[in-house]
Amino acid sequence: EVQLLESGGGLVLPGGSLRLSCAASGSTFSNYAMTWVRQAPGKGLEWVSVISGSGDTTYYADSVKGRFTVSRDNSKNTLYLQMNSLRAEDTAVYYCVKDLPGTTFNYWGQGTLVTVSS
Amino acid sequence: EFVLTQSPATLSLSPGERATLSCRASQSVSSNLAWYQQKPGQAPRLLIYDASNRATAIPARFSGSGSGTDFTLTISSLEPEDFAVYYCQRRSNWPPITFGQGTRLEIK
Repeated sequence: EVQLLESGGGLVLPGGSLRLSCAASGSTFSNYAMTWVRQAPGKGLEWVSVISGSGDTTYYADSVKGRFTVSRDNSKNTLYLQMNSLRAEDTAVYYCVKDLPGTTFNYWGQGTLVTVSS
Repeated sequence: EFVLTQSPATLSLSPGERATLSCRASQSVSSNLAWYQQKPGQAPRLLIYDASNRATAIPARFSGSGSGTDFTLTISSLEPEDFAVYYCQRRSNWPPITFGQGTRLEIK
């Protein structure tokens, strides 16, 4: 069974940094692109970033481009999101998602809360 | 900019009634459209992929239709556990990977 476990969330000051991790188990990690999706309190879902299975291709939403960096360590079955220059509007629950479009394969972690506040 | 627009924002219905939710894309997504259900405090759950295919273990009362820019999620007869927020998504591993703003399905 696929399991995704995010960690690293917490309270951070505006302008600060945080690194999220997502530990994956249950299927061959390197075979799948991985995605970060966030949800601000009481708001809808927002795609943040995606990284290819090999890690050599990445994309970002305009709202985080230049501030966030996605990476992965396939030897550790772990996905990362380095978040710098954090703003109040980055406050959200961050989910990692393992998805294979065109199939029923779609798994979400439980999410980790990031709060940016002074 | 690619946008998915869902309507209505809120839908108030009673158990046993039929629900029809709409999702419109600003440009064609072919059939690369998914629907998710989200309940409070939970991660989203995939309901429909490729516009009309039910995901694993999704009840037959959920159905999806459409292609190109106009899509519909239908719940044929609402059960109490169906009251939740529903999102559509251009489902892809490459941008734009956009979600609609959501439709809240509430008990009337």
